[in-house]
Amino acid sequence: DIQMTQSPSSLSASVGDRVTITCRASQDISNYLAWFQQKPGKAPKSLIYAASSLQSGVPSKFSGSRSGTDFTLTINSLQPDDFATYYCQQYSTYPITFGLGTRLEIK
Amino acid sequence: EVQLLESGGGLVQPGGSLRLSCAGSGFSFSNFAMGWVRQAPGRGLEWVSVITASDSWRKYADFVKGRFSIARDNSENTLYLQMNSLRAEDTAVYYCVKDMIRNSGLLEIDFWGQGTLVTVSS
Repeated sequence: DIQMTQSPSSLSASVGDRVTITCRASQDISNYLAWFQQKPGKAPKSLIYAASSLQSGVPSKFSGSRSGTDFTLTINSLQPDDFATYYCQQYSTYPITFGLGTRLEIK
Repeated sequence: EVQLLESGGGLVQPGGSLRLSCAGSGFSFSNFAMGWVRQAPGRGLEWVSVITASDSWRKYADFVKGRFSIARDNSENTLYLQMNSLRAEDTAVYYCVKDMIRNSGLLEIDFWGQGTLVTVSS
């Protein structure tokens, strides 16, 4: 199975900050990488697919990138609504696997 | 507007069975692969199963193989998950998810349902 190592597991930041979350795949997954946002008690929301493409309706403050097997989610100008847990997911190969999540908290 | 509405969750004893349903609307259900993802209380996301648009193939996570069965009724725009031999560790919120691309099977997820809670306990 492909392991997705996500870091950090938690992150404190202030409104207006820019933050970066990283996922490393244990083997080549090409661009088959998605990012999701989840707020407490709610279903996840799809943010990014194919490593760097924004889902419809997702603001451009969110961006994704790839370097080899390393993937990055960047969130610019944090707002209170952005504080949530973020997950990466590889869909290159079954079984589909997720990172363990990054909890983004207000400092 | 795409909507995925799960139902069928509840409390079941270990060894019992449950069938989840997911009603899809706002898109051409029969053209998209669908799947299930679960989340145990306080834990992360875990892929469970996928079924292609035409039901040409189905795949399962190892931890549910032989116990769970995914199915779909394209005439009713409904996805199912039959869960048998349930264990305490199957306790989770089960989400129905939709693939982005027509007639694919990669499960590049664009929409999630609101989830249905399954609790396995005596």
